[in-house]
Amino acid sequence: KAGVTQTPRYLIKTRGQQVTLSCSPISGHRSVSWYQQTPGQGLQFLFEYFSETQRNKGNFPGRFSGRQFSNSRSEMNVSTLELGDSALYLCASSLLQGSTEAFFGQGTRLTVV
Amino acid sequence: GIQVEQSPPDLILQEGANSTLRCNFSDSVNNLQWFHQNPWGQLINLFYIPSGTKQNGRLSATTVATERYSLLYISSSQTTDSGVYFCAVLANSNSGYALNFGKGTSLLVTP
Repeated sequence: KAGVTQTPRYLIKTRGQQVTLSCSPISGHRSVSWYQQTPGQGLQFLFEYFSETQRNKGNFPGRFSGRQFSNSRSEMNVSTLELGDSALYLCASSLLQGSTEAFFGQGTRLTVV
Repeated sequence: GIQVEQSPPDLILQEGANSTLRCNFSDSVNNLQWFHQNPWGQLINLFYIPSGTKQNGRLSATTVATERYSLLYISSSQTTDSGVYFCAVLANSNSGYALNFGKGTSLLVTP
């Protein structure tokens, strides 16, 4: 079956713009979580959605937001982009919340200029 | 939050050598996974191993949950094993699914 699909793969945006990233989880998986990876901070948790509800949020400013649709697909949005938002954004899906295995997509590499 | 420490941070091996990567965590966990990040950035699942021992070809992993550590063994390393290995844990919590990652071990296998 298909894995986790993230679109787009690469993105270049200008400071001050906003961006929307998309994640389609593995069929049947209901939990989608987002992570930011930068050279300085490593992999950091952004937020997690389960059954269209945000269940957990990491320590990121309100410019970072997300949502999940009834088909479990998820989007994350970053408004008023800053240079420091340049990163690899990874999405993971898992069958349920809690102690189940997570599977990651290929990521979206965002560059803010 | 839960702290995850990986060691060593960097490792250089000759092809054919064996290695052990370590992951220490500061609290009890529901989930522990090992990943290999490929050059394009994707995290490839190696093991889902909250406790016990598993083997997959040249790779094996052991988690001793009571002592809060996990080990990843790579035997007869190949150049294709190069990359960054991450350990990630999910703390025992009702507050949703949030993996906590270590900083990774960067492995270079030379011919």
